[in-house]
Amino acid sequence: KAGVTQTPRYLIKTRGQQVTLSCSPISGHRSVSWYQQTPGQGLQFLFEYFSETQRNKGNFPGRFSGRQFSNSRSEMNVSTLELGDSALYLCASSLIGTDAYEQYFGPGTRLTVT
Amino acid sequence: TQLLEQSPQFLSIQEGENLTVYCNSSSVFSSLQWYRQEPGEGPVLLVTVVTGGEVKKLKRLTFQFGDARKDSSLHITAAQPGDTGLYLCAANTGGFKTIFGAGTRLFVKA
Repeated sequence: KAGVTQTPRYLIKTRGQQVTLSCSPISGHRSVSWYQQTPGQGLQFLFEYFSETQRNKGNFPGRFSGRQFSNSRSEMNVSTLELGDSALYLCASSLIGTDAYEQYFGPGTRLTVT
Repeated sequence: TQLLEQSPQFLSIQEGENLTVYCNSSSVFSSLQWYRQEPGEGPVLLVTVVTGGEVKKLKRLTFQFGDARKDSSLHITAAQPGDTGLYLCAANTGGFKTIFGAGTRLFVKA
């Protein structure tokens, strides 16, 4: 069974631009969560989607948004990029939802904002 | 605010040594997971513990969930260079949200 895939793997953007990251979960997994990982803050929860509905959101500004499609694939968007948005963005899928506690992560998208 | 505190933050040991990593909280969790992450990659799930007092073994790794389900430990016996990585504990807080500890960065020297 294929794992979680994320595209692109690396991205360089300029301040003020926007970016869209994509995540394809493991086949059959309907829950997708997004995280931001930085050396200073560690893994921070962004949001979780299940059956195209956002069920929870972390403490991030409204510039961070996401969506999930009917095939469970998910995208996250960051508008008006800031230097502090430079991070590894990780997507994780779960069979039922994070209440079922086990998540499987993709390799991440390394975003650099200059 | 629910927090998971991991200790130590950094650990550098020689091949063959034993080590223990801790994950503590003041909150009670229904389950707790341990992940290992290597540079440039996403975390890989190692184990989930659910029952208070539960002990699980994965080759040279032993995981324990505290009786009160507030803390957990990971013990590695005879560490090898391949064990090098960032070890993360995680717990579900309810409401479809998972929190992670800051991690323990382990370096095993050959």
